Amino acid sequence: QVQLQESGPGLVKPSETLSLTCRVSGDSMRNYHWSWIRQPPGKGLEWIGYIGYTGIAAYKPSLKSRVTISIDSSNNQFSLKLSSVTAADTAVFYCARHHFWSGHHDYWGPGTLVTVSS
Amino acid sequence: QSVLTQPPSVSAAPGQKVTISCSGSSSNIGDNHVSWYQQFPGTVPKLLIYDNNKRPSGIPDRFSGSRSGTSATLDITGLQTGDEADYYCGAWDSSLREVLFGGGTKLTVL
Repeated sequence: QVQLQESGPGLVKPSETLSLTCRVSGDSMRNYHWSWIRQPPGKGLEWIGYIGYTGIAAYKPSLKSRVTISIDSSNNQFSLKLSSVTAADTAVFYCARHHFWSGHHDYWGPGTLVTVSS
Repeated sequence: QSVLTQPPSVSAAPGQKVTISCSGSSSNIGDNHVSWYQQFPGTVPKLLIYDNNKRPSGIPDRFSGSRSGTSATLDITGLQTGDEADYYCGAWDSSLREVLFGGGTKLTVL
């Protein structure tokens, strides 16, 4: 059974960089892409970006200048960095397994709430 | 405002059928597979439908999906109070080069 688990600070100050890690267990990271998705309180889902086993990443164009996703396949984990955060970046952040050709996300982490506040 | 357009809310009585629509364009729904997710308040989104009309193991056949042109629909038959949740459609957009989600539809079972 594939399991994903997000970890990282729950509080980030405005203008600083949000950093999260997702640990994957129960499967190899090969053959899939690995996404970060966020959901502001009371709002809908927003895809941030994904990364493949080879390290090639794709990002939501409107966030591209602030986002970096990296992968550490030897330790079965991938990470998100979102720079220059504001209160508008407050959200529950999910990591999820993405099927490249089909486009769906089948396994999700439980999510972690990150609040941007001074 | 989402590129994939869903009605904010739908409602129906227990036992009835409800249809949730997801309207897009030729670069997303018209060109790529659609998936659907169910999310109860405070919980993780759950994959209901992938590849337009396929159900993952464990998803009841009361849930079905279809795609026609640049629109997709999720049908739920035999509605139960336990189906009350938010439902999201999703698809890759070949022009925008990003994964899109609809704005979500809140299902109320009256």
